[in-house]
Amino acid sequence: GAVVSQHPSRVICKSGTSVKIECRSLDFQATTMFWYRQFPKQSLMLMATSNEGSKATYEQGVEKDKFLINHASLTLSTLTVTSAHPEDSSFYICSASAGGFAYEQYFGPGTRLTVT
Amino acid sequence: SQQGEEDPQALSIQEGENATMNCSYKTSINNLQWYRQNSGRGLVHLILIRSNEREKHSGRLRVTLDTSKKSSSLLITASRAADTASYFCATDLTGGGNKLTFGTGTQLKVEL
Repeated sequence: GAVVSQHPSRVICKSGTSVKIECRSLDFQATTMFWYRQFPKQSLMLMATSNEGSKATYEQGVEKDKFLINHASLTLSTLTVTSAHPEDSSFYICSASAGGFAYEQYFGPGTRLTVT
Repeated sequence: SQQGEEDPQALSIQEGENATMNCSYKTSINNLQWYRQNSGRGLVHLILIRSNEREKHSGRLRVTLDTSKKSSSLLITASRAADTASYFCATDLTGGGNKLTFGTGTQLKVEL
């Protein structure tokens, strides 16, 4: 099956710093990638949809200047949390889709971000 | 919010018993998917059911979909301790551009 990786799996950073999370599709070309965040014992909330070569589409209430998304190639999307604060601590999960009529999204293993 | 509701929020059963989880949603869908998540891990895709399908099977999993009631159920038969996880339904909404809207999840615990 299709494999999506995320790096890093865990990161701890100090308040005010920026953190970059990578999402890669390892064995297929992902025309669309999605970024979610998940708070403890809660569901996944979609943050943004990223299409290769174009600007990401952010969900209502998600600050695009705080959560920078770059989908520079068909196998890589990055999420940068800028000027991170403790309330940004969360589990960030990406998924990738081959697009077209391929409904299935393949999920990465997630990145645990802790901001101190 | 388009987020689906799942019930129960938590379910504890004995190994060998069946587990049933329900999901309700609010608007028209292309398909509905069920995912499993072990604590602190990523999601594993279990099964996808299209809007024109009523029932689907995969191994010990059985999923039903009732579009008139905007609801779905996931049945896990002959449960095992290894089935302990959180289970989420996710809807691909009509006109939603393949975005998934996740339900609130059911935490299943299967005890020996």
